[in-house]
Amino acid sequence: EAGVTQFPSHSVIEKGQTVTLRCDPISGHDNLYWYRRVMGKEIKFLLHFVKESKQDESGMPNNRFLAERTGGTYSTLKVQPAELEDSGVYFCASSQDRDRARYTFGSGTRLTVV
Amino acid sequence: AQKITQTQPGMFVQEKEAVTLDCTYDTSDQSYGLFWYKQPSSGEMIFLIYQGSYDEQNATEGRYSLNFQKARKSANLVISASQLGDSAMYFCAMRGPSGGYNKLIFGAGTRLAVHP
Repeated sequence: EAGVTQFPSHSVIEKGQTVTLRCDPISGHDNLYWYRRVMGKEIKFLLHFVKESKQDESGMPNNRFLAERTGGTYSTLKVQPAELEDSGVYFCASSQDRDRARYTFGSGTRLTVV
Repeated sequence: AQKITQTQPGMFVQEKEAVTLDCTYDTSDQSYGLFWYKQPSSGEMIFLIYQGSYDEQNATEGRYSLNFQKARKSANLVISASQLGDSAMYFCAMRGPSGGYNKLIFGAGTRLAVHP
């Protein structure tokens, strides 16, 4: 079974530019989550999709962040325009059964805004 | 509000020895779940072990066990017979209804170094 795939693994962009991160969950996993870890801080929840619907986006920091999940498959997280404080590692996770809590995480995308 | 506290930024252990990574939590929920994840240098977050608040026995998964002390609100991870490959960041996390049952709340992590 393929795991959760994220790309790019690293991205370096200039302040004000746009970046799009992609996450491919495990096939058949309806639940998809985005988390991020800003340098020196805890890993924080961003949002949760169930299939193509946003179930909870309470962790999205501001309207520069836009997440989509086309057809309930892969998801994208766009940051536009990027700011310096957006630098960090963005993780995606997926799960098949929320109650069992078996989240599978991807390797993350390390975003650096300069 | 839910909170996870990991007070050990870094830990060292000799290969083949056991090590305990501390985790305390704060929640008003009666039903909640506790998790430990490992993040090696390659970056992926690897699920290690899960403990439900109503589970009467401590969870075990191979060399990993979770020392769950509900009254003290602690969920320490015990790694027995440490191996060099155990060197990584370890995160304690929890989930419960008051925090939004979809969300994991993470601690700051503990970096474990296993020495030969």
